[in-house]
Amino acid sequence: GDSVTQTEGLVTLTKGLPVMLNCTYQTTYSPFLFWYVQHLNEAPKLLLKSSTDNKRTEHQGFYATLHKSSSSFHLQKSSVQLSDSALYFCALRRNNNNRIFFGDGTQLVVKP
Amino acid sequence: EAAVTQSPRSKVAVTGGKVTLSCHQTNNHDYMYWYRQDTGHGLRLIHYSYVADSTEKGDIPDGYKASRPSQENFSLILELASLSQTAVYFCASSGPLGGRNTGQLYFGEGSKLTVL
Repeated sequence: GDSVTQTEGLVTLTKGLPVMLNCTYQTTYSPFLFWYVQHLNEAPKLLLKSSTDNKRTEHQGFYATLHKSSSSFHLQKSSVQLSDSALYFCALRRNNNNRIFFGDGTQLVVKP
Repeated sequence: EAAVTQSPRSKVAVTGGKVTLSCHQTNNHDYMYWYRQDTGHGLRLIHYSYVADSTEKGDIPDGYKASRPSQENFSLILELASLSQTAVYFCASSGPLGGRNTGQLYFGEGSKLTVL
């Protein structure tokens, strides 16, 4: 069945360092991938989305590239800020279904 | 900007009591979802709906019912609330994939439920 795997439950970094949050997925259909960010006591909101193979998508300094060959959609940022501390979810939606599959989420903590 | 509103935003209920969480969207979206989030954890799908008057079970439907009386409204019902149902509940809506639609979810602000 369809699924999304985020391998890191918690990532702790010092401000200014680069970060990569891993996301891999399983589906036999054409995938749409999303990254959602949830700050403390807020609702999740969309950060990035993509359905195009090997094309980098960027928003608010974050970027990700969908690689269908490796079923991956890793989230990256070159220099994290304190305000990036949040819970990050990777999500999959396939083109013939309205179900959306979420990974377990990665908590990013940025320290001064 | 798409709008999804939930009520109540916070509720304290007694064990065995009935709880209804309401969700209203003005996005003209066909698809609506109810998720549960336990503190610091992921989102688990309870029920969802493609069209008014029809609901589908998600991954954790036990102990929950859903109702979609119109395109705009989607309710989550706990007939007999239990301690284990203490959580934050998020409603979301989305359009279909294709064309200008990306199929992203638009979330409500969440309803914090505490069962005592």
